[in-house]
This record gives sequence, C-alpha cells and structure tokens, in this order.
Amino acid sequence: NAGVMQNPRHLVRRRGQEARLRCSPMKGHSHVYWYRQLPEEGLKFMVYLQKENIIDESGMPKERFSAEFPKEGPSILRIQQVVRGDSAAYFCASPRSGPGNTEAFFGQGTRLTVV
Amino acid sequence: DQQVKQNSPSLSVQEGRISILNCDYTNSMFDYFLWYKKYPAEGPTFLISISSIKDKNEDGRFTVFLNKSAKHLSLHIVPSQPGDSAVYFCAAAATSGTYKYIFGTGTRLKVLA
Repeated sequence: NAGVMQNPRHLVRRRGQEARLRCSPMKGHSHVYWYRQLPEEGLKFMVYLQKENIIDESGMPKERFSAEFPKEGPSILRIQQVVRGDSAAYFCASPRSGPGNTEAFFGQGTRLTVV
Repeated sequence: DQQVKQNSPSLSVQEGRISILNCDYTNSMFDYFLWYKKYPAEGPTFLISISSIKDKNEDGRFTVFLNKSAKHLSLHIVPSQPGDSAVYFCAAAATSGTYKYIFGTGTRLKVLA
C-alpha cells in the first residue's frame, strides 16, 4: 500500500463547500480507481481512470462529483457543494501492472467529514 | 444490485483454529477474484487472488477456493492468529470488461486468544 499516496488523510468541509481529494498511484502506473466506503458499509466503485481518460464512471453520482487524471500530477476526485451524506472514506487504488489478472493496491484513504 | 455478497457480517474463531470466510457472486462474467484485509482507519491490503482457470490458490496460511458452478469462493486461514482480526472483503472483476473490482460488504473476523 505504501506506493499509493492519498492526501489529505482527513478533510473537514462545511455543507456547500468543495472537497478535493488527491491520489498519486504507484510510480509509473497510469491507471487509478476511486472507491467510497460509507460508515459500516463495503467499498463502492466510483470511477476508473487512465491518464487523460475516463474508462468507467458508472459508479459516480450524476451530480456534484467529478474525477480527472491529468497527464502530469495526481488524480483528483472533486465533490462540489458537499452534503452530510458525502461523509465517508474515499480510497484510490492502482493495479500492480495495468489492467489484467492483477491485484490493485490501495492508498490509506481520505476521510471526509461534512459538518 | 449486489453482485458480490458476503452474507456473514461477522465471525469469531478461537486462536489456532481454521477461519472460513465465504463469498458468493452473481455475474458469470467475473473471472478474477481477490481477498483483501482491512484494519480500521487504513486502506485495504491485498491478501490473495485466484483466476477462474484455477479452483485453489494457496499462500502460506491463506488458501482461496473457487467453485465456479456454484459461483462461490471461500478464504481459509489456518491457523488463525489474533493479528488476523480485521474486516475481510472479497472482490471480483471481469477481465473482458473495464476491469473494475466489485467488492462485497465485508466480514469482520475476530480471532480470540
């Protein structure tokens, strides 16, 4: 897990503010997944990104949520106008060696609290 | 639509005994399966995986069994140790699709000393 870096670890936002969560995958990796874990629930798939490309966003809420993975820099998950229900742990992961029969390594997560 | 199910939210096992965690899936396109372990306030840690071309994969104290006809997999931990106490998630992926990992809801394992 040490290779996937997420920041911040903890983020507190007031209702209506924007939250930006960052993820740097393992060095040299160009694919990133974002997952959300609500309290007492499992990990829910949100989006799968390749650099400069969204591969699968079927788990993203239709409004307020967006994700990008630019050519340079970390992947960003952005939540606009946050609401209390957005409070959760957000994890990103990168596959060990690109898509295929391989495991994904997760970061430590960002715990978002909306007050 | 929960495509990956872990029907036991919790399991308690005595130290030294076998822990068996179960997972069922519904999507016949899934052909790669993984188990992750998660401690509170940490990210999931990869444990072991299995491809659908196999029915068993072993790594030290951890063995995963896959029954494709029943769409069922299980993780065996033997002998169980107190440090194994954590939440265990199974996950599945369809390598012919976009290869997203779909997770179950987790089973909380408690190994009693």
